[in-house]
Amino acid sequence: GAGVSQSPRYKVTKRGQDVALRCDPISGHVSLYWYRQALGQGPEFLTYFNYEAQQDKSGLPNDRFSAERPEGSISTLTIQRTEQRDSAMYRCASSLGTGNTEAFFGQGTRLTVV
Amino acid sequence: AQSVAQPEDQVNVAEGNPLTVKCTYSVSGNPYLFWYVQYPNRGLQFLLKYITGDNLVKGSYGFEAEFNKSQTSFHLKKPSALVSDSALYFCAVSPRMDSSYKLIFGSGTRLLVRP
Repeated sequence: GAGVSQSPRYKVTKRGQDVALRCDPISGHVSLYWYRQALGQGPEFLTYFNYEAQQDKSGLPNDRFSAERPEGSISTLTIQRTEQRDSAMYRCASSLGTGNTEAFFGQGTRLTVV
Repeated sequence: AQSVAQPEDQVNVAEGNPLTVKCTYSVSGNPYLFWYVQYPNRGLQFLLKYITGDNLVKGSYGFEAEFNKSQTSFHLKKPSALVSDSALYFCAVSPRMDSSYKLIFGSGTRLLVRP
């Protein structure tokens, strides 16, 4: 597609429920990133894929968070047993995969856990 | 620890005046440097980057940024501000030694350009 697409745009869920957030990167982009942005803060790195391989998950806050990119394109970030502190904007980005190329961000998914 | 600092939560400037949004970083080695802008209800948009070479880099919408290695700074500048420049600006760095090229962001600076 023309840009990075994320769905849903908004998600309200009850505490304890699982949620799955989807990211469709720019076609041909090798690298895919997930970031989380709290209100009034900059995005914080969660995890990184190179093609289908998850090569860095150092930013995932705990084992309730997981991500996959099984075919090297679309990625899903899953949060199990959601808690109120998980409420944030979740942003996906993709890039050509070299350090000197910029990342393109989607519009994000606003997650609210009630 | 690697970090990016944007010391000003908000910058106010009159339309037509020059603007500067400050950014300093604490990252080992020679990182790649970026500026992104966020408009309301929209995603982060790339503005410009410094990879190597000339310390003054030019980007979208008339913005430019000056890399200063000795001061580890990468301040964003524009000679003449527009009301439409009002938005949230993020400085970000990517450590060259990190093969994931993930971005470390500052906390953001809100730019308000008054008519």
